[in-house]
Amino acid sequence: KAGVTQTPRYLIKTRGQQVTLSCSPISGHRSVSWYQQTPGQGLQFLFEYFSETQRNKGNFPGRFSGRQFSNSRSEMNVSTLELGDSALYLCASSDSGGTQETQYFGPGTRLLVL
Amino acid sequence: QKEVEQDPGPLSVPEGAIVSLNCTYSNSAFQYFMWYRQYSRKGPELLMYTYSSGNKEDGRFTAQVDKSSKYISLFIRDSQPSDSATYLCATSRERGYSTLTFGKGTMLLVSP
Repeated sequence: KAGVTQTPRYLIKTRGQQVTLSCSPISGHRSVSWYQQTPGQGLQFLFEYFSETQRNKGNFPGRFSGRQFSNSRSEMNVSTLELGDSALYLCASSDSGGTQETQYFGPGTRLLVL
Repeated sequence: QKEVEQDPGPLSVPEGAIVSLNCTYSNSAFQYFMWYRQYSRKGPELLMYTYSSGNKEDGRFTAQVDKSSKYISLFIRDSQPSDSATYLCATSRERGYSTLTFGKGTMLLVSP
């Protein structure tokens, strides 16, 4: 079974721009979560989508948004990029159980904001 | 004080050594404890998952939780160069991962 895939793997943007990241979950998984990983803050939960609805949300500003499509693929959008948004963005998928044991991470998209 | 503290390392050991990785946490409501391994340019993968206090063993890996002192440990026996990675501890109040709180990770380097 193919794992979680994320595109693109690397991205360079400038301040003020917006960016869209994509995540394809493991086949059959309906839950997709997004995380931000930085050296300073570590790994932090952004939000989770399940069956096209946002089910949980972390403590991030409204510039961070996401959506999920009927095929469970998900996109994450960051508007008005700031230097501090430079990070590794990880997507994780899970079956409907939604527990830590069933969550699988993708390789991430490394975003650099200049 | 951050909710989960973890020494960033790097921790360098020779092959075959016993490795001890540790985290402390501050919130007594945390009940679920996890260790993840993250290789360079990869996402984290779940290594160990425990509920409440006690030990859990899986092959060369042993996870230990002491809720009285709010201390989490991961022991790796007979360490191998392939164990070289960053190890992240994580805790949560409930089984759902939206409440996961991660440590910043400890980089482990095992030399042949």
